[in-house]
Amino acid sequence: GAGVSQSPSNKVTEKGKDVELRCDPISGHTALYWYRQSLGQGLEFLIYFQGNSAPDKSGLPSDRFSAERTGGSVSTLTIQRTQQEDSAVYLCASSLSGQGYSPLHFGNGTRLTVT
Amino acid sequence: GENVEQHPSTLSVQEGDSAVIKCTYSDSASNYFPWYKQELGKRPQLIIDIRSNVGEKKDQRIAVTLNKTAKHFSLHITETQPEDSAVYFCAASNPRGYQKVTFGTGTKLQVIP
Repeated sequence: GAGVSQSPSNKVTEKGKDVELRCDPISGHTALYWYRQSLGQGLEFLIYFQGNSAPDKSGLPSDRFSAERTGGSVSTLTIQRTQQEDSAVYLCASSLSGQGYSPLHFGNGTRLTVT
Repeated sequence: GENVEQHPSTLSVQEGDSAVIKCTYSDSASNYFPWYKQELGKRPQLIIDIRSNVGEKKDQRIAVTLNKTAKHFSLHITETQPEDSAVYFCAASNPRGYQKVTFGTGTKLQVIP
């Protein structure tokens, strides 16, 4: 079956521009997560969605970052006025439920490069 | 909040030897501990997980052990093969409330043929 799909796979943007990253989770998965992975680093939590609501936004690094989820499915992560330190791979993951012991299923990520 | 520490950050072993990666967690309420493998340029994928009601779980050449009292858990890979080379992430979560998953910083395992 279809896994978690992210687009674009690569994005190069100039400093100061806005970018939108898209995540299409596995059908039926109610929980959706965004993580950031800088080169050679671990997985930094950004935000969690349960359905369309985001009960945990604690990982968003600044107010330039925002995310939404519509229809309990597709999510977009928006970064405004991009900075070079935003360069990283942005990973989306979904799970069947945000409660219990549901494993995360990751997408292939979007590699963002800010020049 | 939860804090997960992982050691070592890099690990090189000869093919056929065993590899052990260790993690500690801080939140005693955490009760689910998955391990993810990320091959170069690919997505992290779950390889094994353990719940706090068991102390050990095995799946072929991989096993995970959990010591709740000490709040640490470990991944053991036996008879390592070159295809085991990857970055391994441990994680901890407390499924009560919502399943916020906190990851360790990762271990880069290199299996030398």
